[in-house]
Amino acid sequence: NAGVTQTPKFQVLKTGQSMTLQCAQDMNHNSMYWYRQDPGMGLRLIYYSASEGTTDKGEVPNGYNVSRLNKREFSLRLESAAPSQTSVYFCASSNLGATARYTEAFFGQGTRLTVV
Amino acid sequence: SQQGEEDPQALSIQEGENATMNCSYKTSINNLQWYRQNSGRGLVHLILIRSNEREKHSGRLRVTLDTSKKSSSLLITASRAADTASYFCATLRLQGAQKLVFGQGTRLTINP
Repeated sequence: NAGVTQTPKFQVLKTGQSMTLQCAQDMNHNSMYWYRQDPGMGLRLIYYSASEGTTDKGEVPNGYNVSRLNKREFSLRLESAAPSQTSVYFCASSNLGATARYTEAFFGQGTRLTVV
Repeated sequence: SQQGEEDPQALSIQEGENATMNCSYKTSINNLQWYRQNSGRGLVHLILIRSNEREKHSGRLRVTLDTSKKSSSLLITASRAADTASYFCATLRLQGAQKLVFGQGTRLTINP
């Protein structure tokens, strides 16, 4: 199993450019997440999708949009990149059962994004 | 603000010693989880403790949860150089938005 796959692994953008970060999981999980990690800041939640067809804002959603394309895929879009969005982006997935029991989250290897 | 806050932010110990990290959180939780991150890589799940559990073990890891104090601790016994990493706690709220929120992490360095 591949687990959680993120593409691309590295990206350099110019200010104002747009791009989409792709994430796919093959574990049939219902929940998916996008985080950003900055030095000394830990992981901050950008957006999450509790189930197919739903998306919700996290702690730092400004400047981002997401699409839960299907159960497997959850993409993150930067419409107009800014230097403040330079960060490492992680996608994760997990399962929420019918009784709200929870399994651990599985993470992708991250996308290192630099905006110049 | 973030749900979980780890303490200390950095910890440096000698190989063979025990390492203890603490996590505090603010709201009622369904469960609390600990993750490890090696430099530049994705997070790896270590252990999950549910709100009705007080202690859990996994190999050299021991996690405690005190819901009355809204705190958890992670103990790594007999540390090894390979334990050098950042450790994060994450919480899933009991009610409301089902989002997994992380703290800022503890950077653990094991000196040979």
